[in-house]
Amino acid sequence: AQSVAQPEDQVNVAEGNPLTVKCTYSVSGNPYLFWYVQYPNRGLQFLLKYITGDNLVKGSYGFEAEFNKSQTSFHLKKPSALVSDSALYFCAVRDGGQAGTALIFGKGTTLSVSS
Amino acid sequence: GAVVSQHPSWVICKSGTSVKIECRSLDFQATTMFWYRQFPKQSLMLMATSNEGSKATYEQGVEKDKFLINHASLTLSTLTVTSAHPEDSSFYICSASTTSGSRGTQYFGPGTRLTVL
Repeated sequence: AQSVAQPEDQVNVAEGNPLTVKCTYSVSGNPYLFWYVQYPNRGLQFLLKYITGDNLVKGSYGFEAEFNKSQTSFHLKKPSALVSDSALYFCAVRDGGQAGTALIFGKGTTLSVSS
Repeated sequence: GAVVSQHPSWVICKSGTSVKIECRSLDFQATTMFWYRQFPKQSLMLMATSNEGSKATYEQGVEKDKFLINHASLTLSTLTVTSAHPEDSSFYICSASTTSGSRGTQYFGPGTRLTVL
C-alpha cells in the first residue's frame, strides 16, 4: 500500500525567508513523487515531480524538492518565500512500477507567508 | 502545458436529482482519467479510475451505482451523481494522465463544487 505523510498542518514564514514543506512517503515499488499547489476553490496546479535521475528537482515558481531515498522524504523548498506563495500544498506518490494508477495524496499543508 | 477543464464549475441542486459533471482534456489524449472528492480543508480522496472504453474501477466504499462514470472518448469523462443527497455536497476534481505509462503526470481540472439542498 502507498501512503504519504505531511506532518505539518500549517507552515508560517516571513516573506523573503526560505521555506520548507515536509513530506515522507511509503511505497512498495519505485516512488514517483509529486508536489501540487491549490488556491482557494481552485483545482490543483502541478509544481514538480521526481521520477528518476537527479535527486534535486526544480519546478515551477522557484520551488524545488529533494528526493531522499534513505529517509523516504521529498521535502518542498524555496529559497525566498513570497506572499503569493500562500496556499495549500499537497505531496503525492505513485508506485512507478504500476502504470495507470492514481496518485495518493497527503493531507496537505497550508503555507502562510507574511509580509 | 496540458489543460483539463471541468463543467460546470459549480452546481446547486435539489435532493433526489441527478447531476452530471464533465471532465475534458483540451490539448492531449487521456487514456486514463481519475475522479477525486475533496471535503473542506481535507485532502483529495480517490473515488474511481476511468479508462477509455472500459468500466471504471471504484475505490472501496464508493458506490458505483450512485457515482456513474463514463469515459466515452480519449478526451472526455463524465461523473453523474445520481439521486443526490446533502451528504454528497463536496468539491469534485478530475484529473487526466498524459500517457498510459506510469511516468505520466496527472493534470487536474479546476474542480466542481456541488451543493445539494
